[in-house]
Parts: sequence; structure tokens; C-alpha cells
Amino acid sequence: DADVTQTPRNRITKTGKRIMLECSQTKGHDRMYWYRQDPGLGLRLIYYSFDVKDINKGEISDGYSVSRQAQAKFSLSLESAIPNQTALYFCATSIAGLDAGELFFGEGSRLTVL
Amino acid sequence: AQSVTQLGSHVSVSEGALVLLRCNYSSSVPPYLFWYVQYPNQGLQLLLKYTSAATLVKGINGFEAEFKKSETSFHLTKPSAHMSDAAEYFCAVGYNAGNMLTFGGGTRLMVKP
Repeated sequence: DADVTQTPRNRITKTGKRIMLECSQTKGHDRMYWYRQDPGLGLRLIYYSFDVKDINKGEISDGYSVSRQAQAKFSLSLESAIPNQTALYFCATSIAGLDAGELFFGEGSRLTVL
Repeated sequence: AQSVTQLGSHVSVSEGALVLLRCNYSSSVPPYLFWYVQYPNQGLQLLLKYTSAATLVKGINGFEAEFKKSETSFHLTKPSAHMSDAAEYFCAVGYNAGNMLTFGGGTRLMVKP
């Protein structure tokens, strides 16, 4: 089983619908992140959390919200999806400390908004 | 703000040829530097990282990268490309142990038989 699991892996939805992407991890890491990947733009940070009571906005948080339900679970929500949120979304984890920059990624959730 | 530039969104090499993927960063302080690889339909995997130890860093699958402070570069190389190296490669930079990573736009490596 993967250490970082994302569900769903693929989702097609319509404009205006609410969507939740879920992430769970078995690595025991405190830090969790949501990124989106767009061709030519690399990965951009949406939200991150350093522990269960900590939520921080990233570079492109508008239109998104998150919930850290437990150390192992971090969900990303699109309250009212729009077409330019069509992208590949990645959840990642890391430990705290000197190696905090090393991220461990899930396999991605491909979202298409029509 | 920190930034990362990867020159060339697509690079094509023949099997057995040298692989060179370029990465430049903007910084006035020593960075943490990373290369990640993404195979089709998979997440990103760490290839190698520089954290202020040796300037020449060796990674998995025969890849290595050299940190050149004077050029603010961290180019990725492999002496002989293999078909299995075909993937997308991302350079990333961070500036302290708790900071976030900034990713470059990625370079898709294609390997021709």
C-alpha cells in the first residue's frame, strides 16, 4: 500500500459543484501539503499544515479550503468548482526539522471541471 | 521571493547520450536544492538533494547534480541515458529547514532508441 494515498484518483465534475479531495498517510509525518500541477507551471502550493491545529495558506489558496481531521488526514475542498481549477492535485507529507524540505507525494488526483 | 527556472520544457536525447537538465534559482542566501522525478501517472519521487554538504550530489539511477553558487545553478546530469529515464523532472528550492519548496516549471525528458 502507498504511504500517501489520495482519493479519488480521477474526477469529472461540473461548474458550481462542491468537490472534496482526500489524502491519508501512514508515514507518521506531522506536515502535510496540497499542491496543484499545471503544464509549464510546475507545482504550486495551495495550503499546508504543520500539525492538526495548524492551517496555512499557500501561493494559490483562493477558491480552496482544507481540513486537517487528524495527523494522518488532510482534505482539500473546492466549494464551487470552476473550469480553471482543472488540474492534477498532489498531496505531500514531510517530517519537521532539517529534512523538512524533502516531500513525499501521493499519486495525484486528476480533476476536470466542465 | 524565491524562484526557480528550468531551461527547456522538453529535452530529447538518444539512448546512451548525455543527459543535461538545467536549473537556475534566484537567491542571495544558501539554498536547499532538490530534483524530483515524475514518471507517467505517478507522484513525484526525490532524485537527489543538496543541503550545503558536498557541492556534487549523487542521486538514484545514476543521476548527479552540481551546486554552483557563482552561477546560481543546480543542473542535473547523467552520463548515459536509458529508455527508463523518460519522465518529467522538477527542480525545487527552499531556504531554511521550515520553509516551503518552490518548484520550477518542469522539463520533460524524452529518450529516443
